[in-house]
Amino acid sequence: GAVVSQHPSRVICKSGTSVKIECRSLDFQATTMFWYRQFPKKSLMLMATSNEGSKATYEQGVEKDKFLINHASLTLSTLTVTSAHPEDSSFYICSARDGTGSETQYFGPGTRLLVL
Amino acid sequence: AQSVTQLDSHVSVSEGTPVLLRCNYSSSYSPSLFWYVQHPNKGLQLLLKYTSAATLVKGINGFEAEFKKSETSFHLTKPSAHMSDAAEYFCVVSFYNQGGKLIFGQGTELSVKP
Repeated sequence: GAVVSQHPSRVICKSGTSVKIECRSLDFQATTMFWYRQFPKKSLMLMATSNEGSKATYEQGVEKDKFLINHASLTLSTLTVTSAHPEDSSFYICSARDGTGSETQYFGPGTRLLVL
Repeated sequence: AQSVTQLDSHVSVSEGTPVLLRCNYSSSYSPSLFWYVQHPNKGLQLLLKYTSAATLVKGINGFEAEFKKSETSFHLTKPSAHMSDAAEYFCVVSFYNQGGKLIFGQGTELSVKP
């Protein structure tokens, strides 16, 4: 149980284009989902928290107009990197928390984004 | 300030020997504590969690951790390392007063020599 998937696992795009990453909870309803960014050999940096049906809460320093987050259902959240640039290349990981009150987050396998 | 510190950025052990990965936290509140493992280019897998029940927590793959409030520590141990244990390990703290947001330690890379 508690499986989270991400799609795509890898994506290469040209500078200036937009990329959408999907995060799905496969066997539970995720009232809250989180998006993280991880640089090589570094820890995870929380980008934003999204609750189903409401606007995402972004961490300080994260551009909300560049990283668009939608959490339209209890099993799906999307992160869209708009007008991507090479500095946006990174490993993006989502996590999901169910609505039982547990603080445990279940992580997706990550999406490797390379912007040329 | 609330924080979590992993005391070693890299630990190297021989296969079959014990593993100790150290973690200390700083908090004015009672935290929930987790250890996650990340294999190369993969997501994070939950090893174990402490949520104010028993102070000695057993996890998957033979790992366990002990919560010591007096030392503000939550070290991860395993009696005998296996080659497949080589990975990055993160000590993570969740603070209820911050909406359950996770604060990650810097990570410890575990190498296992044959």
